[in-house]
Amino acid sequence: DTGVSQNPRHKITKRGQNVTFRCDPISEHNRLYWYRQTLGQGPEFLTYFQNEAQLEKSRLLSDRFSAERPKGSFSTLEIQRTEQGDSAMYLCASSSTGGRQTEAFFGQGTRLTVV
Amino acid sequence: AQSVTQLGSHVSVSEGALVLLRCNYSSSVPPYLFWYVQYPNQGLQLLLKYTSAATLVKGINGFEAEFKKSETSFHLTKPSAHMSDAAEYFCAVSDGGGYNKLIFGAGTRLAVHP
Repeated sequence: DTGVSQNPRHKITKRGQNVTFRCDPISEHNRLYWYRQTLGQGPEFLTYFQNEAQLEKSRLLSDRFSAERPKGSFSTLEIQRTEQGDSAMYLCASSSTGGRQTEAFFGQGTRLTVV
Repeated sequence: AQSVTQLGSHVSVSEGALVLLRCNYSSSVPPYLFWYVQYPNQGLQLLLKYTSAATLVKGINGFEAEFKKSETSFHLTKPSAHMSDAAEYFCAVSDGGGYNKLIFGAGTRLAVHP
């Protein structure tokens, strides 16, 4: 078990371009979360999957953002028509089935810079 | 709604000194509380968690935290700071749903000087 893996680690893109990030959770975990962390702030929840079903989306997730988790394994987060305000660290976490006390394991994140 | 306030965005201590990082929470349900550590350009690693068992929780790397319901606090302490403890620390509360959606504080950056 290598933990939660995120790719790429860094992405620099021009404003208006589309970007896609990938998250591979711990293999036996059926729950997957995306968070966004801006400089000097704590992570903010974006969305939650249980298996392949996207069960919650934050208001932070505008129409330009879309997340998928086909077959309940890896997940992708796509941002269309990127804006400078999208520059942030995007963190993925996974957890096993359980209540809200269950530990979430985080990946190392993808740092997005929009120029 | 749940929320977390971390008092002090920056804390500086000498090596060997006591570390105290403050966290206060607000929760409409019995809280589950977490402390995470983040090293530069890394993800978050769980230090410890409170899940309504013992109010004094011991975690990794010599850290511990005490849950005080009357004060709505969950402060993180370590008796003796080490240079390797320099990092950013986040307190989080689990949202009231049936899964672990976390609400984080803004973080406290800990500096340890010789």
